[in-house]
Amino acid sequence: QQPVQSPQAVILREGEDAVINCSSSKALYSVHWYRQKHGEAPVFLMILLKGGEQKGHEKISASFNEKKQQSSLYLTASQLSYSGTYFCGTEALRGNNDMRFGAGTRLTVKP
Amino acid sequence: NAGVTQTPKFQVLKTGQSMTLQCAQDMNHEYMSWYRQDPGMGLRLIHYSVGAGITDQGEVPNGYNVSRSTTEDFPLRLLSAAPSQTSVYFCASRFGTDEQYFGPGTRLTVT
Repeated sequence: QQPVQSPQAVILREGEDAVINCSSSKALYSVHWYRQKHGEAPVFLMILLKGGEQKGHEKISASFNEKKQQSSLYLTASQLSYSGTYFCGTEALRGNNDMRFGAGTRLTVKP
Repeated sequence: NAGVTQTPKFQVLKTGQSMTLQCAQDMNHEYMSWYRQDPGMGLRLIHYSVGAGITDQGEVPNGYNVSRSTTEDFPLRLLSAAPSQTSVYFCASRFGTDEQYFGPGTRLTVT
């Protein structure tokens, strides 16, 4: 029931772009994206809901393919501060608070 | 607002001991959850709640109990600690289907 993330790790140079993917075998109501720095708590980036509604930070973009139960997070013109581990969390149902997370994608941005 | 607070920040237990991890939020969120995160791994859902008096099991509930007597508090009880429960524990809260707000975490070591 946990979503599957790919790739497991990415290394970028500043200014380069990256795409992180998240897929589920179950029909989804929502996909959440979070970033976690080492030793810290996860921090919210983006929510994508069934039906097309999105909510998140202006500099972050993502997509949600409801037919394929797949979501992608697009990181463009990467900065050093983008380094961290990115997690997607998915919910199959609205309103029951049962959110499962993927294993994460470790992103390293180098100067 | 203090957000989501967790106590203690660090704890060392011996095998067989019991303890309660405290979690409180001051945002009047109905939804609260407990996750554990093992080194280099994703977040695994232990227990979750959609309101006072309502709790449910996540993917790894064995060895843990929860209760939700108030909207603000969601304590997690370890019944008889085992080395396999060595982990970082995160509490989270949210308003409806909005983003999760995570606490700073409790780092637990069981020897």
